[in-house]
Amino acid sequence: GENVEQHPSTLSVQEGDSAVIKCTYSDSASNYFPWYKQELGKRPQLIIDIRSNVGEKKDQRIAVTLNKTAKHFSLHITETQPEDSAVYFCAASRSEMRFGAGTRLTVKP
Amino acid sequence: GAVVSQHPSWVICKSGTSVKIECRSLDFQATTMFWYRQFPKQSLMLMATSNEGSKATYEQGVEKDKFLINHASLTLSTLTVTSAHPEDSSFYICSAGPGVGAGASVAGYTFGSGTRLTVV
Repeated sequence: GENVEQHPSTLSVQEGDSAVIKCTYSDSASNYFPWYKQELGKRPQLIIDIRSNVGEKKDQRIAVTLNKTAKHFSLHITETQPEDSAVYFCAASRSEMRFGAGTRLTVKP
Repeated sequence: GAVVSQHPSWVICKSGTSVKIECRSLDFQATTMFWYRQFPKQSLMLMATSNEGSKATYEQGVEKDKFLINHASLTLSTLTVTSAHPEDSSFYICSAGPGVGAGASVAGYTFGSGTRLTVV
């Protein structure tokens, strides 16, 4: 089955800096790669996603890149703000969705 | 947009009792429902996948006789934790998708709000 690895597990940046979180997946048939933001005790919130026929997608301060050959994808957050602090999960899906271990992002004001 | 209603949002039960968690897709038909469990400070771990009208497929290490899943209709799936024990205390969350119907999410997956189970 699919195995998703996510790094780093924790990330601390200064407000205004960029943050990058990386994930790798094992199943070359996976075709959908979402990123979720989860605040304590709440459901994961989809922040951006990318499908396998696209290499990059951007939505304001958030971007995702996908390298199908290398089977890795990354989340980029620019101009970080304290409210970006949360746990971020990547996921890979062909049918069922499997999650990475999560990255706790802290943005220091 | 796509909405999945999950109930209850939290429940405390005594050890040995059973607890049922419901997930309903409100404005679309969920052909597939996924059930996840999340322990504190950990990721969401897939427990099982259920398709409407058929038996659920459980992930390795998940006891199907303990975690009963029923997906009797295209809008309702239930997870029953039988003979709950303190180690079953966790955050349980469902995800529906991909769905069909006018309300289905473009993204294909919609999460319920989660259920925090505490077994005492």
